[in-house]
Amino acid sequence: RKEVEQDPGPFNVPEGATVAFNCTYSNSASQSFFWYRQDCRKEPKLLMSVYSSGNEDGRFTAQLNRASQYISLLIRDSKLSDSATYLCVVNRGSTLGRLYFGRGTQLTVWP
Amino acid sequence: EAQVTQNPRYLITVTGKKLTVTCSQNMNHEYMSWYRQDPGLGLRQIYYSMNVEVTDKGDVPEGYKVSRKEKRNFPLILESPSPNQTSLYFCASRLSGGQNTGELFFGEGSRLTVL
Repeated sequence: RKEVEQDPGPFNVPEGATVAFNCTYSNSASQSFFWYRQDCRKEPKLLMSVYSSGNEDGRFTAQLNRASQYISLLIRDSKLSDSATYLCVVNRGSTLGRLYFGRGTQLTVWP
Repeated sequence: EAQVTQNPRYLITVTGKKLTVTCSQNMNHEYMSWYRQDPGLGLRQIYYSMNVEVTDKGDVPEGYKVSRKEKRNFPLILESPSPNQTSLYFCASRLSGGQNTGELFFGEGSRLTVL
């Protein structure tokens, strides 16, 4: 089983829509969780960290469910500029240097 | 400007010809890491370094070497490249310890083709 699993999509939504992505992780010792965004042929960039209590940054909300071992990302009021691939990233607790990336979920927002 | 710089950005080479992809960061980060990205497989960690002279294997270290003699540089060495190492490579760095927010800063990527 892969360390991190994501639905690859693609998700195609109209502007203004709300879209949610989920990501599951297999190692219960995982300690840190992140969502990264990657535009086509570009390097990944941090979108937001995911905290135990959940956190929000503008139109983006991240949630962590340790019991079920999944994290989620909710994007409200989608913009054309949100079109990208969203990567779920997990840092395994026992080895802080090891980072595991999901394969990414592709989002296209159309006008 | 804070950045991670990789070179070369694009390279076409032949099987068996040793090559080095350089990575340099100007943010005084302790942690550096190399990834490869392949279609359908996502980003996979090759090697990482928690600090100078400290390196560890990631998920796919076979066929690669690294060294960390200085804090700012973390070169990736392919001693005898093979076609299955054709990929997009990213170098990344971040702070360690108490200042670590978890944010990785990536280079722009190096697209390598091995014929």
